[in-house]
Amino acid sequence: GESVGLHLPTLSVQEGDNSIINCAYSNSASDYFIWYKQESGKGPQFIIDIRSNMDKRQGQRVTVLLNKTVKHLSLQIAATQPGDSAVYFCAELNTGGFKTIFGAGTRLFVKA
Amino acid sequence: GAVVSQHPSWVICKSGTSVKIECRSLDFQATTMFWYRQFPKQSLMLMATSNEGSKATYEQGVEKDKFLINHASLTLSTLTVTSAHPEDSSFYICSASPPGLAGDETQYFGPGTRLLVL
Repeated sequence: GESVGLHLPTLSVQEGDNSIINCAYSNSASDYFIWYKQESGKGPQFIIDIRSNMDKRQGQRVTVLLNKTVKHLSLQIAATQPGDSAVYFCAELNTGGFKTIFGAGTRLFVKA
Repeated sequence: GAVVSQHPSWVICKSGTSVKIECRSLDFQATTMFWYRQFPKQSLMLMATSNEGSKATYEQGVEKDKFLINHASLTLSTLTVTSAHPEDSSFYICSASPPGLAGDETQYFGPGTRLLVL
């Protein structure tokens, strides 16, 4: 069935290093992808999004890359900070509506 | 802008009772809101799509008679867990998409409601 999944369940990085969180999706018809950050006990927080007509999009310290050929999505966080520690979810939006499908999530640990 | 609130943030109830969770869009109107459920260390699972003025659309496997959804206004959707049991204990999260430019489907999430059924 359709799914959005992640390669790594946890990621540990040193403060100041760059982080890369990966995601694979299976529905080639999806045209909108979002990365969310969820801190413990809180709701997901929007980080950055990208549409299928783009390969790359940059925000403040974050970059999302989309490779439609291999159905792969990644989130890059530059100069990772302790405040970046959280669970990160990629999400896929069906073109037929607004139903968002979430991936399994990756927990990011930032070591001081 | 685009703030979504939930109330209560925490609720503990006895088995067999019903619990109502509110989801409000504070600074925008939302014709559609979404209800998710999240178990510890797991991802968000969509339960239902709440439509203002009409019946909610439930995902497969979600009991509509157990999880009652009412979207009475453009800023409020409620989820009622009826006859709650310990297995209903979970983190319930709502979201909404503010109207904006065509194609803007970004969802904004509430802070979540943690339900513990004893």
